[in-house]
Amino acid sequence: EAGVVQSPRYKIIEKKQPVAFWCNPISGHNTLYWYLQNLGQGPELLIRYENEEAVDDSQLPKDRFSAERLKGVDSTLKIQPAELGDSAVYLCASSSGTGATGELFFGEGSRLTVL
Amino acid sequence: AQSVTQLGSHVSVSEGALVLLRCNYSSSVPPYLFWYVQYPNQGLQLLLKYTSAATLVKGINGFEAEFKKSETSFHLTKPSAHMSDAAEYFCAVSHGGATNKLIFGTGTLLAVQP
Repeated sequence: EAGVVQSPRYKIIEKKQPVAFWCNPISGHNTLYWYLQNLGQGPELLIRYENEEAVDDSQLPKDRFSAERLKGVDSTLKIQPAELGDSAVYLCASSSGTGATGELFFGEGSRLTVL
Repeated sequence: AQSVTQLGSHVSVSEGALVLLRCNYSSSVPPYLFWYVQYPNQGLQLLLKYTSAATLVKGINGFEAEFKKSETSFHLTKPSAHMSDAAEYFCAVSHGGATNKLIFGTGTLLAVQP
């Protein structure tokens, strides 16, 4: 069974440029998460989807970040414009439940460097 | 509000020695607790979880953790370290429910010396 797939693995851009990350969750997983992981820190939730509905986006900086999950499968996370402080790893995860007692399956992450 | 504190951002042990990674939690409701492992350039993988059943939880790769309510702790242990255990370990807490959110600690980087 294929795991959570993310692309690109690495992205280097200049500040003020846009960037987008793509995530394909495990087949059948209705819950999808985007986490931000800064260097030396634990992952922090940006947004959680139940199917195509964003049920928790309270930590998403909506002035520059946006996300979508069309048809309740793949998801895209966009930053426009990127700032130096956005350099981090963006992790996508999926689960078959809410994640409270279930297991989150993580992708390998997309590492963003903003110059 | 919930949180977890991982004591020691870096831990180094010799191969064959006991591994002890510390995690203390704060939660106003009975928590669910997790340990995840992250190998270099890989995603996080669940090691084990506590969901209010047995207080001693066994996970993959010989790891186990004990939930101690009186100490608000959920320390991760392994009797004998192996070189392949070198990775970053994250403790996490959630309380379930419709608005469940997994809160991660800052991680502990485990080094295993030959």
